[in-house]
Amino acid sequence: DTGVSQDPRHKITKRGQNVTFRCDPISEHNRLYWYRQTLGQGPEFLTYFQNEAQLEKSRLLSDRFSAERPKGSFSTLEIQRTEQGDSAMYLCASSLLVDTDTQYFGPGTRLTVL
Amino acid sequence: GEDVEQSLFLSVREGDSSVINCTYTDSSSTYLYWYKQEPGAGLQLLTYIFSNMDMKQDQRLTVLLNKKDKHLSLRIADTQTGDSAIYFCAEFKDGGSQGNLIFGKGTKLSVKP
Repeated sequence: DTGVSQDPRHKITKRGQNVTFRCDPISEHNRLYWYRQTLGQGPEFLTYFQNEAQLEKSRLLSDRFSAERPKGSFSTLEIQRTEQGDSAMYLCASSLLVDTDTQYFGPGTRLTVL
Repeated sequence: GEDVEQSLFLSVREGDSSVINCTYTDSSSTYLYWYKQEPGAGLQLLTYIFSNMDMKQDQRLTVLLNKKDKHLSLRIADTQTGDSAIYFCAEFKDGGSQGNLIFGKGTKLSVKP
């Protein structure tokens, strides 16, 4: 399967701990996006990369959130000092910046903060 | 208010057509998308339409776009129980450093046998 993959699929952590999620985009896709989805809502945009450059990060929810894409391939999203309000599904998507720039989503990482 | 609005629920009988509606606010949006999400899963791209088109058909799916009213609809013909899911409408905004999808809250489609 050559779709977008995310790891882990589920993460349970205690409040105050740091967590890191990984996203592997579709091969050769140069754009990579992170979204957060809470129950009953649509995905909410957090940040995105074009190759290794992070082009938009003002929508990250707080300075506890950070993302990297060091080599322009996979990306990581880190949440420091987790809070119960961080519990959500974190979705990654990738696209190829030609024509429609259509985004393809991964299965998501479900975070539960106790 | 919401950039993209959808009704939250739709219930149909198997074999009937389903029509899911969406309104958006940004006339500069270039593409409009429909995604499907099954419980506990990520989003599956169903179809999209470019803003200069009125209609797009793809097998059982028909997308209609009324740009004047900023209204988008997704029609599913011969709806099956496997179509039960949440359907998200999304508009794409691309400009400068911003390139992301704005989603509605989703319409939960229930298909009764």
